[in-house]
Amino acid sequence: EAEVAQSPRYKITEKSQAVAFWCDPISGHATLYWYRQILGQGPELLVQFQDESVVDDSQLPKDRFSAERLKGVDSTLKIQPAELGDSAMYLCASSRDRNLGQYFGPGTRLTVT
Amino acid sequence: GQQVMQIPQYQHVQEGEDFTTYCNSSTTLSNIQWYKQRPGGHPVFLIQLVKSGEVKKQKRLTFQFGEAKKNSSLHITATQTTDVGTYFCAATDRGSTLGRLYFGRGTQLTVWP
Repeated sequence: EAEVAQSPRYKITEKSQAVAFWCDPISGHATLYWYRQILGQGPELLVQFQDESVVDDSQLPKDRFSAERLKGVDSTLKIQPAELGDSAMYLCASSRDRNLGQYFGPGTRLTVT
Repeated sequence: GQQVMQIPQYQHVQEGEDFTTYCNSSTTLSNIQWYKQRPGGHPVFLIQLVKSGEVKKQKRLTFQFGEAKKNSSLHITATQTTDVGTYFCAATDRGSTLGRLYFGRGTQLTVWP
């Protein structure tokens, strides 16, 4: 069964450093999402792509976060500089269509020290 | 933005007892999705409800969408230890062109053997 791949699974970084996360969605899924999940809460959308285009980044802290999906397949989420409050699980999800269910990857757990 | 309220936050049941979690919105929803997240895992898509009053079943799980499309519920009959996890509802506002999902805070289910 096809799955969403993410790497790394865990990342520890010092504040003010740069960090990057990678996501490879299920083949054929045009819509890709990056979420942030804080312990005890539901995922919160950071950015949504339709193919290679950003369609919703209203909740992305653009002063430090950036996301790209250059060829409309895999995607990278970057944080520079990282802050203590960025410690969380970063989840990538994909779907065939934005109106259908989403399939999540295993996530990257980020700890900023 | 959209807020989806989910109750209860925690539920502890003995194996064999039933379990219900509720999801409420102050605005009319386009659709609602349900996800399950096992401890240490990632959200897994369970089902999507689109029609007013819709009821769907998956083995021991029954999902309902309210007539006014402002609330939903997930009911598990005769819980098993494999049902342990956090159940999230996630909704899209009616009229949303982006299909952005807003997740509730989840109901964490514990099942005693």
